[in-house]
Amino acid sequence: EPEVTQTPSHQVTQMGQEVILRCVPISNHLYFYWYRQILGQKVEFLVSFYNNEISEKSEIFDDQFSVERPDGSNFTLKIRSTKLEDSAMYFCASSEVTGGDSYEQYFGPGTRLTVT
Amino acid sequence: AQKITQTQPGMFVQEKEAVTLDCTYDTSDPSYGLFWYKQPSSGEMIFLIYQGSYDQQNATEGRYSLNFQKARKSANLVISASQLGDSAMYFCAMSLTQGYSTLTFGKGTMLLVSP
Repeated sequence: EPEVTQTPSHQVTQMGQEVILRCVPISNHLYFYWYRQILGQKVEFLVSFYNNEISEKSEIFDDQFSVERPDGSNFTLKIRSTKLEDSAMYFCASSEVTGGDSYEQYFGPGTRLTVT
Repeated sequence: AQKITQTQPGMFVQEKEAVTLDCTYDTSDPSYGLFWYKQPSSGEMIFLIYQGSYDQQNATEGRYSLNFQKARKSANLVISASQLGDSAMYFCAMSLTQGYSTLTFGKGTMLLVSP
């Protein structure tokens, strides 16, 4: 069964460093998303991506964040200068179509980012 | 803006019994979808069930069913015949069907199934 994959599973970085989180969405999916979950809290939307551009982003997704689809398979989230409060689980998701029209968003296993 | 409310931080149930996890939502949009996800201790998000706002019947997927009451804006998850492996965090979420839709999640309910 096709699945979303994410690498690495755990990333430890020092405050101020740049990190790139990688995702491989399901191959025939067209819509890609990043969410984050701070430990013990709810999952929060960061950004959605379609047709090689950002389609929607939340207030969390400030200038320190960027997304890219560098080739036909990968979808990356870059944090330019990490802060302690960026420590969280980051989930990538993909879907065939957008919205609630019976198409679920498939989530990857997540990358746990720890900023020290 | 959409909002999801899960008022039960934790629920306990005995194995083989049924349990209902509550979810209420708020949106002014007439077209939306409601989802339930399971998050075990390993951290991944597992899709369980979906209900569209125009669906006439309640969604069912195996032991999972969604009790959709549109007038009350509630979308409770019912798990029948609970199993030990059902112990996990459960999140209710919604998305709109217009535009580039994203999932808005509730805070979750931790379900513990005891033998």
